[in-house]
Amino acid sequence: SQQGEEDPQALSIQEGENATMNCSYKTSINNLQWYRQNSGRGLVHLILIRSNEREKHSGRLRVTLDTSKKSSSLLITASRAADTASYFCATAWSNDYKLSFGAGTTVTVRA
Amino acid sequence: GAGVSQSPSNKVTEKGKDVELRCDPISGHTALYWYRQSLGQGLEFLIYFQGNSAPDKSGLPSDRFSAERTGGSVSTLTIQRTQQEDSAVYLCASSIQGRTEAFFGQGTRLTVV
Repeated sequence: SQQGEEDPQALSIQEGENATMNCSYKTSINNLQWYRQNSGRGLVHLILIRSNEREKHSGRLRVTLDTSKKSSSLLITASRAADTASYFCATAWSNDYKLSFGAGTTVTVRA
Repeated sequence: GAGVSQSPSNKVTEKGKDVELRCDPISGHTALYWYRQSLGQGLEFLIYFQGNSAPDKSGLPSDRFSAERTGGSVSTLTIQRTQQEDSAVYLCASSIQGRTEAFFGQGTRLTVV
């Protein structure tokens, strides 16, 4: 079964707006990661946040992690048409253990 | 090669035939994953190899599915007696030991007719 669940399932925004999506998980984790998938093919790693971190930034991406609520959020600021993709969260129990993915959030950025 | 390579990119097979999907991970990556993704769905874990440890096969959906990893490098996912419900994109990923950021291949789109 999938460890992470993303919310919402789909999101449509205007170019320049911010996009926020959430991920909830069920068990203790070592780290949580976000990936992007374009056109239903390979996923690209975006950002990793460790269980002892609360917030992390990378360019226009901001990730938060609340281990007490077992949840994470991904914020994309000033969205662009190229941000149109599916976004997945993935969790790992340890550094040397398999990644479990959620069902993903499909983001559409309208020009 | 610079990234994870999967072959073939696309495979159309008749129901009941066996198929083999290949994954060449990034050189030096000790961990290798196989996932399956049906149209519009999330990633379904199939199998995980980590170094010389016994693989985690807990995600394989039936005994028609098997995978091996030779020499700690190339992996082959075999599906025997394919069924229409096996149609999906099969994704392979690899990572360095001690780091779980995974690098994905472009996948193999399997269509069973």
